[in-house]
Amino acid sequence: AQSVTQLGSHVSVSEGALVLLRCNYSSSVPPYLFWYVQYPNQGLQLLLKYTSAATLVKGINGFEAEFKKSETSFHLTKPSAHMSDAAEYFCAVSLNDYKLSFGAGTTVTVRA
Amino acid sequence: GAVVSQHPSWVICKSGTSVKIECRSLDFQATTMFWYRQFPKQSLMLMATSNEGSKATYEQGVEKDKFLINHASLTLSTLTVTSAHPEDSSFYICSATRLAGVGYEQYFGPGTRLTVT
Repeated sequence: AQSVTQLGSHVSVSEGALVLLRCNYSSSVPPYLFWYVQYPNQGLQLLLKYTSAATLVKGINGFEAEFKKSETSFHLTKPSAHMSDAAEYFCAVSLNDYKLSFGAGTTVTVRA
Repeated sequence: GAVVSQHPSWVICKSGTSVKIECRSLDFQATTMFWYRQFPKQSLMLMATSNEGSKATYEQGVEKDKFLINHASLTLSTLTVTSAHPEDSSFYICSATRLAGVGYEQYFGPGTRLTVT
């Protein structure tokens, strides 16, 4: 079975600072990996997706994530945080590209 | 872009009644739809996988007689919470998938907040 672990349930950053959200996966076969963002009382929006094509994946809103097999990690970064980045972020893993298992989520707050 | 809607967005019902939640893919035909449940400040828990014209596949621990799923067409799936109780209060989110190239794209609805009093 596959799973993901998100390290840190809450991350607080200053506006303009680096955003780093950590995700480690466990999978018996090469997985598909995803990052989603959820704003309050809304559904999920896909930020980016890893499908084994390239280890550095660029997503929307300036986010990117790097797949590191040796570390079983798929950390999400954004060089400069914006107030609008305040939200809940979920890492997810899938073996077949559509049935997802989600991490516990990381809440991001951005300080002015 | 692909849009998934849910109706209603918010519902309050009395204990013992049933509530139906609709999930629609507005501008594409969905090969598969999924239903998730999300408790406050927690992650999404997959409840069931729904394919048009066939019975839903429920995840372990999810009561199929309590959470009835009907997938009548390629654009509509419904979740009925039967004999609802306060512990069923939660945020229910659906997603719809479609083929995109060699893989799938999955689009999430905005969610339905159910409160059982």
